[in-house]
Amino acid sequence: RKEVEQDPGPFNVPEGATVAFNCTYSNSASQSFFWYRQDCRKEPKLLMSVYSSGNEDGRFTAQLNRASQYISLLIRDSKLSDSATYLCAVNTGYSTLTFGKGTMLLVSP
Amino acid sequence: GAVVSQHPSWVICKSGTSVKIECRSLDFQATTMFWYRQFPKQSLMLMATSNEGSKATYEQGVEKDKFLINHASLTLSTLTVTSAHPEDSSFYICSARGLVDTQYFGPGTRLTVL
Repeated sequence: RKEVEQDPGPFNVPEGATVAFNCTYSNSASQSFFWYRQDCRKEPKLLMSVYSSGNEDGRFTAQLNRASQYISLLIRDSKLSDSATYLCAVNTGYSTLTFGKGTMLLVSP
Repeated sequence: GAVVSQHPSWVICKSGTSVKIECRSLDFQATTMFWYRQFPKQSLMLMATSNEGSKATYEQGVEKDKFLINHASLTLSTLTVTSAHPEDSSFYICSARGLVDTQYFGPGTRLTVL
């Protein structure tokens, strides 16, 4: 089993839709979890950290399920500008992040 | 947020030459920086962890003699791809560790080896 797995997509959704991605991880000792956004041919940008109690930032909600070893990202009221690849990242050692391959989101008018 | 710069942003070189990429943390000190490589439609793959003042730690399968890393100061790490070959063509991205284990990425360097 890969350390961090994501559905590559693409997820095609209309503007205004709600979309959710999951990311599973294999190392039960993982401590920190993050969602990054990567636009085509650009570097990843931190979208949000994922806390145990779940956290929300505007239209974005991240949750962690330790029992099932997955994190999720929910995007409400999708905008065209949300089109990107969303990478989950898991801290599997001191400061070392392991990234998933990313989930591509395409928001259409 | 924290700013990390990378230079150059793109480079085209002939096979056999060496290419040096710089990674700088502009508004914070980073004792730890990371070097990643990303091939098209693939995930970020960690190449090495660079610690200021000490030798870099390379991931399995990454040749330390080919990818030379120097982290001489708290704001600068360099990656030198020695004797580059076409298969080294990739998107090289550095990141610097900030507070609370977050990583801030540089804009990346696109290397094309002819």
